[in-house]
Amino acid sequence: EAQVTQNPRYLITVTGKKLTVTCSQNMNHEYMSWYRQDPGLGLRQIYYSMNVEVTDKGDVPEGYKVSRKEKRNFPLILESPSPNQTSLYFCASKGSYNSPLHFGNGTRLTVT
Amino acid sequence: AQKITQTQPGMFVQEKEAVTLDCTYDTSDPSYGLFWYKQPSSGEMIFLIYQGSYDQQNATEGRYSLNFQKARKSANLVISASQLGDSAMYFCAMRESVTGGGNKLTFGTGTQLKVEL
Repeated sequence: EAQVTQNPRYLITVTGKKLTVTCSQNMNHEYMSWYRQDPGLGLRQIYYSMNVEVTDKGDVPEGYKVSRKEKRNFPLILESPSPNQTSLYFCASKGSYNSPLHFGNGTRLTVT
Repeated sequence: AQKITQTQPGMFVQEKEAVTLDCTYDTSDPSYGLFWYKQPSSGEMIFLIYQGSYDQQNATEGRYSLNFQKARKSANLVISASQLGDSAMYFCAMRESVTGGGNKLTFGTGTQLKVEL
């Protein structure tokens, strides 16, 4: 089944404790992206990647890191999480230029 | 300026009625794309419909149609014959090219639709 898989689904952590949210897709998509969703703000793009070893900042990249060493994986790293990074995070991928994004099921992160 | 504007935070519609969800956009890219997604209470993001900037006809997918008015920069979603299962958050999104050859997808803030009996 074609899918984008994010893990974990839920994560509660404390301020400053490094964490990684994994994202993997099995559709051989070149484009991958991370979004965060907050009430009243919609989905805001954190980082995106057009291909392996190519990443670019989105609208809200501060406090986040990404890497794209393999085509299928695009992990999101929070080196020192803070409470304002409490949010619902989505990983997504897409194939061709006009294709829609395929989303993972989301990761709900709480930073206390 | 906002790239994507959805001015209706919440809407109600009677079952079996049609409803229009508004979306306006702002871009200088002549080749852009517009998408609508549905997010039910379970949280997943479901793709509904796509309209390319050069498409001559309005996109349709089953009960969903996109009222694309290029000169007004609007891309409203029309849902015909609303069903209780249409109750969800709806997001409009735009894909545009960025410097360096990449492309970026920007989402609006969403419209919460509630279908009533």
